[in-house]
Formats: sequence, structure tokens, C-alpha cells
Amino acid sequence: DTEVTQTPKHLVMGMTNKKSLKCEQHMGHRAMYWYKQKAKKPPELMFVYSYEKLSINESVPSRFSPECPNSSLLNLHLHALQPEDSALYLCASSKGTEAFFGQGTRLTVV
Amino acid sequence: AQKITQTQPGMFVQEKEAVTLDCTYDTSDPSYGLFWYKQPSSGEMIFLIYQGSYDQQNATEGRYSLNFQKARKSANLVISASQLGDSAMYFCAMRDFTDKLIFGTGTRLQVFP
Repeated sequence: DTEVTQTPKHLVMGMTNKKSLKCEQHMGHRAMYWYKQKAKKPPELMFVYSYEKLSINESVPSRFSPECPNSSLLNLHLHALQPEDSALYLCASSKGTEAFFGQGTRLTVV
Repeated sequence: AQKITQTQPGMFVQEKEAVTLDCTYDTSDPSYGLFWYKQPSSGEMIFLIYQGSYDQQNATEGRYSLNFQKARKSANLVISASQLGDSAMYFCAMRDFTDKLIFGTGTRLQVFP
């Protein structure tokens, strides 16, 4: 199983809403990631969890709040987002020679 | 600081020909891993190939091979016998010992008949 599963695939939310993105992997990977990707740009690293602890936060605004409930799950809680936060949000997991990505959540903030 | 550079914004290749996509990197860490991904217009990030900094041999996966030149800090992707379905964005990425995984700016490959 080399799958990273992200839900939902699409999300439209208002600027006052609270929503969460979910990511799951069962490959025993120690590192899990959140990326933001705008159209025609490379993925931009947001957070890294290593052994379920937040190890890297790339100066992401506090309206994005990550959570790692266990070694298989990663959440990204969203609150009071801005229209410029509309993007593809990718989750990934990694260990050794492997680094796999989920299919992403296309987020639109209205 | 780490950096990944892909200098080719776009490349064209004829079907059945080979193509090389360039990637150079900068790091002072002795331990790192290099990845290549394909991203079609659907948005999914598809893993293609991995090369570790201590690997003595160049990695190969089917039609994909990685030309790893450690002293030059380059990790070019070679796609042999290109197919129309290879048209996509290709990203080079590097992971360091802290698990930080960063990407280059990408190369858009277009395969024509």
C-alpha cells in the first residue's frame, strides 16, 4: 500500500467558516507534510511532522493550524481564511527512499 | 540553506525520443535524498524515482533514470522512449536529514507526435 488519502477532494468555504482537511497513510512513514500549491507554481512547504511532533513550520499564518493525532493521521484546520488562500493543498508522507503524495484538496475561499 | 534549481521552464520532445530534464541542488549536508515527481494537469503528484546521496549507482525505474553527479550537485532525470502521456510538469525535490522536503520550480514537458 503506497497510498496517501486526502479528504475532501474539493472544498469551498467562506471567510468566516472553520473547516478541516484530512490526510491518512498506513505505510509507517515517520514524516508527514502539508504543502500549498498555487497554479503553475511548485508546492510550497507549510508544515512537517516528524514522529508525530511538529518539527518545521515555515512561518505559516495562524489561520492554518496543523494537528497530528497519531502516526497515520494528519489534519489541517482552517479558520478565517482569505481568498488568496485558495489553492491545491497537498499532503505527503515520507520515510527512507519513499515520499508519496495524496491527490490533494482543491480549496476555494469565497 | 538548501536550494533546488530547475533551469528549463519548458521542454519539447518528439514521441519515442529520449529527453533529459535538468536539476541542480545546493546543500552542505552529507546526507540527503533526491526525488523526481510528475504532475499532470489533474494535480496529483506522482513519484517517479529516488536517489540517495550515498548511493553509488544511478537510480533507474523503467523508462526513468537519474543521472546523479554528486560532485557537480546535479540529478538530471532521463526519460527514454517518450510517450504522449509523459506530457506533464516535472519537479525535482530534495529531502534533508531533518525531513524537510523542498521543490524546484519545475519543467513543463510536452511530447509531440
